[in-house]
Amino acid sequence: DAKTTQPPSMDCAEGRAANLPCNHSTISGNEYVYWYRQIHSQGPQYIIHGLKNNETNEMASLIITEDRKSSTLILPHATLRDTAVYYCIVRGGWGTDKLIFGTGTRLQVFP
Amino acid sequence: DTEVTQTPKHLVMGMTNKKSLKCEQHMGHRAMYWYKQKAKKPPELMFVYSYEKLSINESVPSRFSPECPNSSLLNLHLHALQPEDSALYLCASSQERRGEKLFFGSGTQLSVL
Repeated sequence: DAKTTQPPSMDCAEGRAANLPCNHSTISGNEYVYWYRQIHSQGPQYIIHGLKNNETNEMASLIITEDRKSSTLILPHATLRDTAVYYCIVRGGWGTDKLIFGTGTRLQVFP
Repeated sequence: DTEVTQTPKHLVMGMTNKKSLKCEQHMGHRAMYWYKQKAKKPPELMFVYSYEKLSINESVPSRFSPECPNSSLLNLHLHALQPEDSALYLCASSQERRGEKLFFGSGTQLSVL
């Protein structure tokens, strides 16, 4: 079963920052937080992942709380192409540990 | 090359047909995965291969038969499917190391008539 809770939908104005929250209160010490997104009928696209520290890459930033029970994905300047379903996933640290998708957040970016 | 290639992109088959889905990657990944995604639902894990050996089978019906003939190739053999098996079938791969990410293909859209 998925170990995360996300709001089912969110809206964001184009050019503004999109902040997507995720709760993972039962996360264990060796589990990572992964974010993927899926645009309609395409394969999921990797965004970012982290263990304890905040992470940033060319797509997004990941902020993980100190107790690791929640995190926030930040898209700094949302565009219409960022409209997608965003999945927050908690996964064990080993190569074949299961990546189990929850229901995700449908982000709608509007002009 | 950071792609996972799936063929065919679309497949229509009857309930008595036998068909195969193919997945290929050339990133040197030793873990490969099959997922099934019904419309408006999240992807569901079906199988995981590690070093060409099946390591996880999520209680998938035997009409789905996976095969990993080498480290770059993953097949899903389909036989006697039902209309409810119509879905997007996704393949993914990753390094077999701690904290690695999965790369997904664009999927095969399967329709069973």
